[in-house]
Amino acid sequence: DAGVIQSPRHEVTEMGQEVTLRCKPISGHDYLFWYRQTMMRGLELLIYFNNNVPIDDSGMPEDRFSAKMPNASFSTLKIQPSEPRDSAVYFCASSLRGRDHEQYFGPGTRLTVT
Amino acid sequence: AQSVTQPDIHITVSEGASLELRCNYSYGATPYLFWYVQSPGQGLQLLLKYFSGDTLVQGIKGFEAEFKRSQSSFNLRKPSVHWSDAAEYFCAVGLNDYKLSFGAGTTVTVRA
Repeated sequence: DAGVIQSPRHEVTEMGQEVTLRCKPISGHDYLFWYRQTMMRGLELLIYFNNNVPIDDSGMPEDRFSAKMPNASFSTLKIQPSEPRDSAVYFCASSLRGRDHEQYFGPGTRLTVT
Repeated sequence: AQSVTQPDIHITVSEGASLELRCNYSYGATPYLFWYVQSPGQGLQLLLKYFSGDTLVQGIKGFEAEFKRSQSSFNLRKPSVHWSDAAEYFCAVGLNDYKLSFGAGTTVTVRA
């Protein structure tokens, strides 16, 4: 089985540009999570979905961040406009209800905003 | 509020020596507990998990962890480390709403 797929793996962009990160969860999983990892703040949960519906977006830092899940096999995290402080590794994870919180992580997208 | 504490930011261990990583949690109920490992440039991989039952759980790569309710701890151990165990290790607790709360992580360096 393919694991969680994220693209791109690396993204370098200039301040002010729009950035879109993509995630394909494991087939059949009904929970999807977006995390951000930085040296200063560690691993932070940004938002998560259940059955394509956003459940908790309290971790989204500000209105510049938005996330969608148009179907069960695809999600995006968009930053518009991007700022240097958004530089981080962004992880997507998925899990299956009834599997006791076990989350499977993608390889991450390393975002650098110059 | 629920929280996870990993007291050690960085541990250096010799190859072949034993390793123990500490994790303490603050949570009202019996939690779901996890250890994840992150190799450089990689995502997080689940090492092991505890939900109920036997308090000593076995995981992948020769790791084990022991749940101690009285100490609110879930320490990770390995009897003999290999150079490939150099990585960052995260303890996590599962919350009511299917979220995970992660500790700050412990970086393990293995010296020859």
